[in-house]
Amino acid sequence: KAGVTQTPRYLIKTRGQQVTLSCSPISGHRSVSWYQQTPGQGLQFLFEYFSETQRNKGNFPGRFSGRQFSNSRSEMNVSTLELGDSALYLCASSRDSSGTDTQYFGPGTRLTVL
Amino acid sequence: GQQVMQIPQYQHVQEGEDFTTYCNSSTTLSNIQWYKQRPGGHPVFLIQLVKSGEVKKQKRLTFQFGEAKKNSSLHITATQTTDVGTYFCAENSGGSNYKLTFGKGTLLTVNP
Repeated sequence: KAGVTQTPRYLIKTRGQQVTLSCSPISGHRSVSWYQQTPGQGLQFLFEYFSETQRNKGNFPGRFSGRQFSNSRSEMNVSTLELGDSALYLCASSRDSSGTDTQYFGPGTRLTVL
Repeated sequence: GQQVMQIPQYQHVQEGEDFTTYCNSSTTLSNIQWYKQRPGGHPVFLIQLVKSGEVKKQKRLTFQFGEAKKNSSLHITATQTTDVGTYFCAENSGGSNYKLTFGKGTLLTVNP
């Protein structure tokens, strides 16, 4: 079974631009979560989607948004990029909605904001 | 909000030595999960602990959940170079949903 895939793997943007990252979960997984990883703040939860509905959101500004499609694929968007948005963005998928199933992480998208 | 404190931040050991990382919370944890992230890689799920006092073993790895469900530990016996990476604990604080709150992690390096 193919793992979680994320595209693109690397991205360079400049301040003020916007960016869209994509995540394809493991086949059959309906929950997709997004995390931001930085050396200073570590791994921080962004949001979680299940059946196209956002069920949980972390403490990030409104510039960070996401959505999930009917095939469970998910995208996250960051508008008006800031230097501090440079990070590894990870998505994770899970099979069910219980909150107890294993989360499988993708390889991440490395975003650099110049 | 909920915080999971993890210590130490770094640990360097000689191959064959043991290693332990600890997670602590000021409030009761509903569960604790452990992940390993190799350098340049992504977090990989190791285990989940739910019950008070729970102990689980995976080969050389032993995971414990405290009686009060406020702390947890991961112990590796006789480390190997393949154990190198950052070990994270995390609580799923989202109830029936997913919302992992991660500790800052412990970076383990092993000298062969």
